[in-house]
Amino acid sequence: QPQLQESGPGLLKPSETLSLTCNVSGGPFISSSYYWGWIRQSPGKGLEWIGNIHYSGSADYNPSLKSRVTISVDTSEKDFSQFSLKLTSMTAADTAIYYCVRRVIVTGAIWFDPWGQGILVSVSS
Amino acid sequence: DIQMTQSPSSLSASVGDRVTITCRASQNIRSFLNWYQQKPGKAPKLLIYSVSSFLSGVPSRFSGSGSGTDFTLTISSLQPEDFATYYCQQTYTDPITFGGGTKVEI
Repeated sequence: QPQLQESGPGLLKPSETLSLTCNVSGGPFISSSYYWGWIRQSPGKGLEWIGNIHYSGSADYNPSLKSRVTISVDTSEKDFSQFSLKLTSMTAADTAIYYCVRRVIVTGAIWFDPWGQGILVSVSS
Repeated sequence: DIQMTQSPSSLSASVGDRVTITCRASQNIRSFLNWYQQKPGKAPKLLIYSVSSFLSGVPSRFSGSGSGTDFTLTISSLQPEDFATYYCQQTYTDPITFGGGTKVEI
């Protein structure tokens, strides 16, 4: 079972761009069954899927955020063990705990496991 | 988007009680229904996937059932470590969506 760890700034100003990185260790990153993504949790909106990416670079996003989101894999690492989230034009409504997750897809089932510990991102002037 | 509705939003129970949480999808999601457990200050943890399947380490007192639009999570005998918030999730189609959660309190 791999471990996922988020990193990035905890405080942003309105209109700034959020950049988070997820480091994956202790398990394979490259697999046809694994997608790597982000989910956020806020008191107002609950759990919200942001999007995910396959190691090949194929990405899918929540339509509600698609115009502002980019998820990418970090190809500078030889073992492809990092992926990143960029969310532009941040507002107070984007204040949330951001989790990186592994999405597992097998025949007839899809689930999210494991999750990172989460990183609290606040947006305030 | 597929709406996931959980009930109740909270419940009070005692150790040893049988607890049932329901989740209803706004359209048929076949068996693409997962349950997560979240304790305060922690990330959600996968409990059950594909309605009733488990990864290793999940106690047998947890079970899931249902199909189509109506699903149930049952804890047969509530233990102290089970007091948490439970979320259902549909993975039938993107965007992935979650229920609003059920907080199980003492």
